[in-house]
Amino acid sequence: DQQVKQNSPSLSVQEGRISILNCDYTNSMFDYFLWYKKYPAEGPTFLISISSIKDKNEDGRFTVFLNKSAKHLSLHIVPSQPGDSAVYFCAANQAGTALIFGKGTTLSVSS
Amino acid sequence: EAGVAQSPRYKIIEKRQSVAFWCNPISGHATLYWYQQILGQGPKLLIQFQNNGVVDDSQLPKDRFSAERLKGVDSTLKIQPAKLEDSAVYLCASSPRDRGISGANVLTFGAGSRLTVL
Repeated sequence: DQQVKQNSPSLSVQEGRISILNCDYTNSMFDYFLWYKKYPAEGPTFLISISSIKDKNEDGRFTVFLNKSAKHLSLHIVPSQPGDSAVYFCAANQAGTALIFGKGTTLSVSS
Repeated sequence: EAGVAQSPRYKIIEKRQSVAFWCNPISGHATLYWYQQILGQGPKLLIQFQNNGVVDDSQLPKDRFSAERLKGVDSTLKIQPAKLEDSAVYLCASSPRDRGISGANVLTFGAGSRLTVL
């Protein structure tokens, strides 16, 4: 039973354009949602998070949107850069518990 | 601050052999996690420690996997005997959040230990 789903295995975007990565979840008890970025041969690194009581959180080029009624969140990257090419994981948890991860989406940004 | 240290980075063993992975979390982080990431999948929690006590080991295959966190700092994950399906990257992570305290639980991951079982 996958509680966090990333249904798009890959996404290709041109440099300077917007990248939109999507994530769906099934557990309405999740309190927090996080995005992690992973380069090959490295561990995942934290990118941005959002509380379940918010609908938007922005940090520089990265914005996460949360739609609780649809149990859906998305990560927007504007503008996309070649260095953003990586695997992006969506994760969620209830306060104090371990993160549950999706399968990831591989983003490729071409120059 | 120093990151999460893991060793070895790579290990190749035959099935039915044993292997151990070591993790040193960020200094002062109370919570330590071991995740298993199989190729093409997201990280899956194996075990969560709070200081040196186990919080969640519900997904740890206890017939072959064991983990300990001595003195609430370093941790070791052992697999004995290994199976082909244990081939994966084993990620250690730590976080400063105590269980039950509100706030995003931001985990800091190590680079991982890649295990290949032949």
